[in-house]
Amino acid sequence: KNEVEQSPQNLTAQEGEFITINCSYSVGISALHWLQQHPGGGIVSLFMLSSGKKKHGRLIATINIQEKHSSLHITASHPRDSAVYICAVRLIQGAQKLVFGQGTRLTINP
Amino acid sequence: DAGVIQSPRHEVTEMGQEVTLRCKPISGHDYLFWYRQTMMRGLELLIYFNNNVPIDDSGMPEDRFSAKMPNASFSTLKIQPSEPRDSAVYFCASSLASLFNEQYFGPGTRLTVT
Repeated sequence: KNEVEQSPQNLTAQEGEFITINCSYSVGISALHWLQQHPGGGIVSLFMLSSGKKKHGRLIATINIQEKHSSLHITASHPRDSAVYICAVRLIQGAQKLVFGQGTRLTINP
Repeated sequence: DAGVIQSPRHEVTEMGQEVTLRCKPISGHDYLFWYRQTMMRGLELLIYFNNNVPIDDSGMPEDRFSAKMPNASFSTLKIQPSEPRDSAVYFCASSLASLFNEQYFGPGTRLTVT
């Protein structure tokens, strides 16, 4: 079992829909990161969370440390939100390297 | 700022050849990261530097891989000798202050080893 699991792996929705992408992890962490990878391959950092909730525009990220779960929400989705969304965690123990989920491929149709 | 700069953007080489990937971080950033992305394994951290010093290289797959950061504005990732299984997209990223502040990614180098 991977240390970081994302669901769903693929998600297709219509423009305007509310989107939720989930990330669960099985190890202790100090923080969690959401990344966006555009169809052209570029990667952009969206959020870094250690507790609670963060909002940026139409994007909202939440984390529940006790439940070892984070969600990324997109309100009023738009075709330009189509991308792969990647969750990454920073482990408390070990070498403190980042461990990545496999990503969720989101497609928003007009 | 121009962002993180990587070169080359694409590299095609034959098995056994030496490959050198280059990265220029954002000026003033004191952390630099090298990542590899493949379809099978996703995104993996290979190594990261703080103030030009390698901090964690536990993600480097084997001795054929080496990374250096001779100064604050330049880093290289070298594969010698290259193998077909090294084919991947290699990303460089930089950040301020800590491993887990926002990281700024370069455009990546797509490496194909035939």
